Amino acid sequence: RKEVEQDPGPFNVPEGATVAFNCTYSNSASQSFFWYRQDCRKEPKLLMSVYSSGNEDGRFTAQLNRASQYISLLIRDSKLSDSATYLCVADNQGGKLIFGQGTELSVKP
Amino acid sequence: SQTIHQWPATLVQPVGSPLSLECTVEGTSNPNLYWYRQAAGRGLQLLFYSVGIGQISSEVPQNLSASRPQDRQFILSSKKLLLSDSGFYLCAWRVSGVTGYTFGSGTRLTVV
Repeated sequence: RKEVEQDPGPFNVPEGATVAFNCTYSNSASQSFFWYRQDCRKEPKLLMSVYSSGNEDGRFTAQLNRASQYISLLIRDSKLSDSATYLCVADNQGGKLIFGQGTELSVKP
Repeated sequence: SQTIHQWPATLVQPVGSPLSLECTVEGTSNPNLYWYRQAAGRGLQLLFYSVGIGQISSEVPQNLSASRPQDRQFILSSKKLLLSDSGFYLCAWRVSGVTGYTFGSGTRLTVV
């Protein structure tokens, strides 16, 4: 079983749609979680950290459920520029971040 | 501010040739440094990480090695490249703790 699992997609949505990405992690000792965005042929870039109480940054909302070992990312009012691959990441407490395979999002006009 | 430099951006090398990719970080001291590889259409695979000068941990036994000769320099090497070494190589750094990584712009390696 992979340490961090995501639905690979692709998710094809129209502009303005709300889209949700889900992620599960297997290491219950993981303490820190992140969402990264990766554009085609580019390096991943940190989108947001995920906190236990949930956190919001503009159109983006991240949630963490430690009991279920589940992380989510919600994008509201999606834009064409949101098209990218979204990577779920868990800190395994060894100083290493473990990345999911990524979920591809394509926002269409 | 902190910056991370990685070069070259693209590289085409014949099978059996050596490899040296360099990564340097500016604006911070004693960072944790990482090398990842991303094969086409695949996720990120951690290859090596380092918490200090001369300290290298290998995650996956393979044809590659890493060295950290200076605090803010991390080098990925191979003596003889294989076709399977092709991929997108990414260097990353973080300050130990709860922060995420910052990645370099990556090197796209094609072994022919």
